Amino acid sequence: NAGVTQTPKFRILKIGQSMTLQCTQDMNHNYMYWYRQDPGMGLKLIYYSVGAGITDKGEVPNGYNVSRSTTEDFPLRLELAAPSQTSVYFCASSPEDRATNEKLFFGSGTQLSVL
Amino acid sequence: GIQVEQSPPDLILQEGANSTLRCNFSDSVNNLQWFHQNPWGQLINLFYIPSGTKQNGRLSATTVATVRYSLLYISSSQTTDSGVYFCAVEGVYNNNDMRFGAGTRLTVKP
Repeated sequence: NAGVTQTPKFRILKIGQSMTLQCTQDMNHNYMYWYRQDPGMGLKLIYYSVGAGITDKGEVPNGYNVSRSTTEDFPLRLELAAPSQTSVYFCASSPEDRATNEKLFFGSGTQLSVL
Repeated sequence: GIQVEQSPPDLILQEGANSTLRCNFSDSVNNLQWFHQNPWGQLINLFYIPSGTKQNGRLSATTVATVRYSLLYISSSQTTDSGVYFCAVEGVYNNNDMRFGAGTRLTVKP
């Protein structure tokens, strides 16, 4: 059972470059999320989606874009990379039923450095 | 948005010791979860506990929603318990926005 899969695991970008972080889940979860984790800090929500075709901003959306064309995939786009976007990015998914025992399932993360 | 504070920020234990980690939050919550981030960065669900008490082996958690705090207990700690423990909450007025605390970094020495 693959769960939440993120690619790539590591990436170095130059300032101003663009890239897409890929996230896919095979649990048929409606809800998907993108978080960033800066060194020594907790996770901050960038964007989330409650279903295909629906996305919404989280706490720190500036500099990012997302799309949700299918239930499985939730890519995160950086258009003009900046050093402030150096971070570890986590994708997560959850079932719609809030009563489930484990709400968030996380991918293994993407470590991004912008130089 | 909802504020989440965790204490202590750092904790060093000898193997076999017990510990209590605390999470305070500033508003009513729909959801509260505890996570363990291991030294390799992987985030692991520990408990989904918006209220009440749960136990899983050497770990247990209690959330007192009316007083807005949650506690994570680790008994007979092992070196594999090392890592960062995060509390995350979803406020009743901010659905789908799980806010994380800054974490408690636990080091268990052999």
